[in-house]
Amino acid sequence: QVQLQESGPGLVKPSETLSLTCTVSGGSVSNSNYYWSWIRQPPGKGLEWIGYIYYSGSTNHNPSLKSRVTMTLDTSKNQFSLKLSSVTAADTAVYFCARLPPAMVTFDYWGQGTLVTVSS
Amino acid sequence: QSALTQPPSASGSPGQSVTISCTGTSSDVGAYNYVSWFQHHPGKAPKLMIYEVSKRPSGVPDRFSGSKSGNTASLTVSGLQAEDEADYYCSSYTSSNNFEVVFGGGTKLTVL
Repeated sequence: QVQLQESGPGLVKPSETLSLTCTVSGGSVSNSNYYWSWIRQPPGKGLEWIGYIYYSGSTNHNPSLKSRVTMTLDTSKNQFSLKLSSVTAADTAVYFCARLPPAMVTFDYWGQGTLVTVSS
Repeated sequence: QSALTQPPSASGSPGQSVTISCTGTSSDVGAYNYVSWFQHHPGKAPKLMIYEVSKRPSGVPDRFSGSKSGNTASLTVSGLQAEDEADYYCSSYTSSNNFEVVFGGGTKLTVL
């Protein structure tokens, strides 16, 4: 059974960088059959796809986030990470990591999510 | 505002059927058969219930079914059970910017 678990600070100051890690168990981030993705949900709002990273290191992200998103992969720890720079209160959200089989264009396994609040 | 439009709430009594709609545009729902539905019990990991409009992953009861007509996709839950009470989100592939997935705002399903 594939499991994903997000981790990282729950509070980030405005203008700083949000950093989160997703640890994968029951599967490998080096598997070429999947993309590894980030999704977020602001309080009281719907879900927003942030981006994905592939085992090769190639990435793609939601253009609405412009160039603030950086995603990396650590195959030795079976983890992938998200950095979101220059955060504002609008980036306050529950952040989810998920597995994305590109052939299905869906998210078949998700983490429970972690709340990140942007506040001074 | 979410890219896909869902009703904020839906309800039904145990044993009844309920249908949740998800309206997009000719650039997403109407253009591709890559509509998914997710069940989310708050505090838990969202669960994939339907993908590619109407396919069910292994382990998802056949009480859950999906369909699409034009720019609107639908999730039908038949034989409602108490454990079906949750938030439901739809998503769709859109090629408006290379690769992108858009979501609905979510529907709170209440089992009366």
